[in-house]
Amino acid sequence: DTGVSQDPRHKITKRGQNVTFRCDPISEHNRLYWYRQTLGQGPEFLTYFQNEAQLEKSRLLSDRFSAERPKGSFSTLEIQRTEQGDSAMYLCASSLISGGQQETQYFGPGTRLLVL
Amino acid sequence: AQSVTQPDIHITVSEGASLELRCNYSYGATPYLFWYVQSPGQGLQLLLKYFSGDTLVQGIKGFEAEFKRSQSSFNLRKPSVHWSDAAEYFCAVGVYNTDKLIFGTGTRLQVFP
Repeated sequence: DTGVSQDPRHKITKRGQNVTFRCDPISEHNRLYWYRQTLGQGPEFLTYFQNEAQLEKSRLLSDRFSAERPKGSFSTLEIQRTEQGDSAMYLCASSLISGGQQETQYFGPGTRLLVL
Repeated sequence: AQSVTQPDIHITVSEGASLELRCNYSYGATPYLFWYVQSPGQGLQLLLKYFSGDTLVQGIKGFEAEFKRSQSSFNLRKPSVHWSDAAEYFCAVGVYNTDKLIFGTGTRLQVFP
């Protein structure tokens, strides 16, 4: 068990550029979550997948945001035409769901995005 | 709507003193409750969780929390704080079926020697 990993750990970009983040969950975890955390706030839910299906998207996730989990393993989060308000820490978490019971989410170290 | 309130933005304690961090939740059913800790620049580490059963739950690093349904609270406690406990602490409620977490705004803990 190598834990949840995220890449890159830090990203600085200019306003209007596109960025893509990657999350590798704990192997065999079937659920994967994306959260966004701004300074001084708790993480806010963005979206989640069960296997390769994206089951829910928050209203926080504007049309400029897209997430995929093509083979039910790693996931990518893309932000198009970045804005300064997108500056935040983007956290990924994974969990194993069995029998429909709530399970613990394990978080990665996050990707810190700064939009200039 | 589900929500979590952490009334204390910042708490300062002396090393060796006891600690209690407050958490109140709003949820329409029996909640799944969590406490996570976040060190600067790091992700979130689970301290403990409550799903059902005994309302006093033990976690890692000597932390415990008590679920009180009548008060809609899930306060985190530690009898003797260590300097390494300085971090940001987040309480969260899990939403049934999706399991997405709704977090409070966090409490920053400072520990003085």
